[in-house]
Amino acid sequence: DTAVSQTPKYLVTQMGNDKSIKCEQNLGHDTMYWYKQDSKKFLKIMFSYNNKELIINETVPNRFSPKSPDKAHLNLHINSLELGDSAVYFCASSQDPMDEQFFGPGTRLTVL
Amino acid sequence: GNSVTQMEGPVTLSEEAFLTINCTYTATGYPSLFWYVQYPGEGLQLLLKATKADDKGSNKGFEATYRKETTSFHLEKGSVQVSDSAVYFCALRPLTGRRALTFGSGTRLQVQP
Repeated sequence: DTAVSQTPKYLVTQMGNDKSIKCEQNLGHDTMYWYKQDSKKFLKIMFSYNNKELIINETVPNRFSPKSPDKAHLNLHINSLELGDSAVYFCASSQDPMDEQFFGPGTRLTVL
Repeated sequence: GNSVTQMEGPVTLSEEAFLTINCTYTATGYPSLFWYVQYPGEGLQLLLKATKADDKGSNKGFEATYRKETTSFHLEKGSVQVSDSAVYFCALRPLTGRRALTFGSGTRLQVQP
């Protein structure tokens, strides 16, 4: 039933590690997004893919790399994790970039 | 660049009180405007939207009117319930160029019984 799902829900890891967050949508949408929500609740777009093609790539460290194996999945891989990467990461999808975005429940990443 | 400014929270109200959460924006042209709601432990859900000047978006008793002259999109509800306690985000999406949403900082609403 879940429209946009993310795994894991919580991720606690040490500085310097590499980790991935997975996102899947079963809505048949063509466009997917990753947002970062910091401790002050600011939400900022990181990446967007449309039909597996990268269309938005904000100024994020190149330690962050999105990977879209197919239209239903957009995973976020983070290398060499830093303390400042601690945040809640939200995946979202929409039929196209002009349509309503549906958000996943978020992944809370804590870097120790 | 585009930006959205929301009133600082938290906003604490008693049940059945009137709610206003202010939102103003800066953007080139006429963006689409949105209110999203985030309930505790959940992702964001679209609450309402307006795509052109003087449009009124409404849903679940909430309303917001797109005011071009004041570049505002204030959220209102006549009588809040405890279940409305959440964080509310104002957002815009430009008409041209990069179509990503730009969010405000969010306003936490706490409704007490």
